[in-house]
Amino acid sequence: GAGVSQSPRYKVTKRGQDVALRCDPISGHTALYWYRQSLGQGLEFLIYFQGNSAPDKSGLPSDRFSAERTGGSVSTLTIQRTQQEDSAVYLCASSYQRGGQETQYFGPGTRLLVL
Amino acid sequence: RKEVEQDPGPFNVPEGATVAFNCTYSNSASQSFFWYRQDCRKEPKLLMSVYSSGNEDGRFTAQLNRASQYISLLIRDSKLSDSATYLCVVNVGYNQGGKLIFGQGTELSVKP
Repeated sequence: GAGVSQSPRYKVTKRGQDVALRCDPISGHTALYWYRQSLGQGLEFLIYFQGNSAPDKSGLPSDRFSAERTGGSVSTLTIQRTQQEDSAVYLCASSYQRGGQETQYFGPGTRLLVL
Repeated sequence: RKEVEQDPGPFNVPEGATVAFNCTYSNSASQSFFWYRQDCRKEPKLLMSVYSSGNEDGRFTAQLNRASQYISLLIRDSKLSDSATYLCVVNVGYNQGGKLIFGQGTELSVKP
């Protein structure tokens, strides 16, 4: 079946512009995560949605970053007034729980370059 | 202290070698444990879950020591295609937010 999809796959923008990154999770997955990965670095947790609960925003680096998840499905990560240090790969993942175990599947990521 | 810590490597080994990766986690309430693999410029993919009794999948063996809060991954008879970054992942459980916490990853390079 279809996996997690993200769009755009690549985005080049000028400093100060706003960008919106989209994630389509696997159908039926209740949890959705956003991560950021800079070149040669590990995954940096940004935000986590679980069902109808309030999202865990503890990883968002500044108030320029926000995310929403509509109808428990598609999510959009928005970065306002982009800065060069925002350049990274933004990864989305969705997950389901079975037998007390959670299995997480990643999308291919959006590579963002801020000039 | 990071919630999940790994040796960053890189580990450079010849084909056929056995290599072990170690990982420690700080939250004693952690409930689920995994190893993910990430190839260069690709997204992470689940390699295997880690169970309390230890588990094996072909050349890969995962171990969990809850008392020491320690997880390991052993790769036997390493192949060139095993070259990747291996990520240790912990789930702290839904009653504490439920999100998966990733280590920084250990890079493995298998040489001919």
